[in-house]
Amino acid sequence: EAQVTQNPRYLITVTGKKLTVTCSQNMNHEYMSWYRQDPGLGLRQIYYSMNVEVTDKGDVPEGYKVSRKEKRNFPLILESPSPNQTSLYFCASRPGTGGGETQYFGPGTRLLVL
Amino acid sequence: AQSVTQLDSQVPVFEEAPVELRCNYSSSVSVYLFWYVQYPNQGLQLLLKYLSGSTLVKGINGFEAEFNKSQTSFHLRKPSVHISDTAEYFCAVSGDTGRRALTFGSGTRLQVQP
Repeated sequence: EAQVTQNPRYLITVTGKKLTVTCSQNMNHEYMSWYRQDPGLGLRQIYYSMNVEVTDKGDVPEGYKVSRKEKRNFPLILESPSPNQTSLYFCASRPGTGGGETQYFGPGTRLLVL
Repeated sequence: AQSVTQLDSQVPVFEEAPVELRCNYSSSVSVYLFWYVQYPNQGLQLLLKYLSGSTLVKGINGFEAEFNKSQTSFHLRKPSVHISDTAEYFCAVSGDTGRRALTFGSGTRLQVQP
């Protein structure tokens, strides 16, 4: 089944404890992206990747890191999480870099930073 | 720069009644327009998208949307809703280049009541 998977689905951590949220897609998509969803704000893009080893900042990149060493994986790293990073996170992918292409979303990771 | 405004944060409606969810966008370039749906505790799923051509776009689950360039709108409609349509709906816009992917509105929560 074609899908985007994320792990973990739920995570509670404390301020300053490094964490990684994994994202993997099995559709051979070139483009991958991370979003955070907050009430009343919709989804905002954190980082995106046009291809392996090519990443760039989205609208809200502060406090996050990403890497794209393999085409299928795009982990999101929080080096020193803070309470304002408590949010619902979505990974997404799409076939290429065309603006009209459909993005496919993972199930989401709900993060609580105490 | 591009932006999306969803005019209603919540829309309550009775089952079998028609519904319209409003979306306005602004962009200095040609755009592609999308509606995504998020069911409780799930990721986002594409309902429909406008790329070019006919301004009336039909999507899944009986939804349709009309692109109006002069009013910069892309309102979503369904003639008769079901309880199962209860979800959050997001309008999104993407530009030609595709680098920054989607800009989302803040979402509209559709609450279908029996």
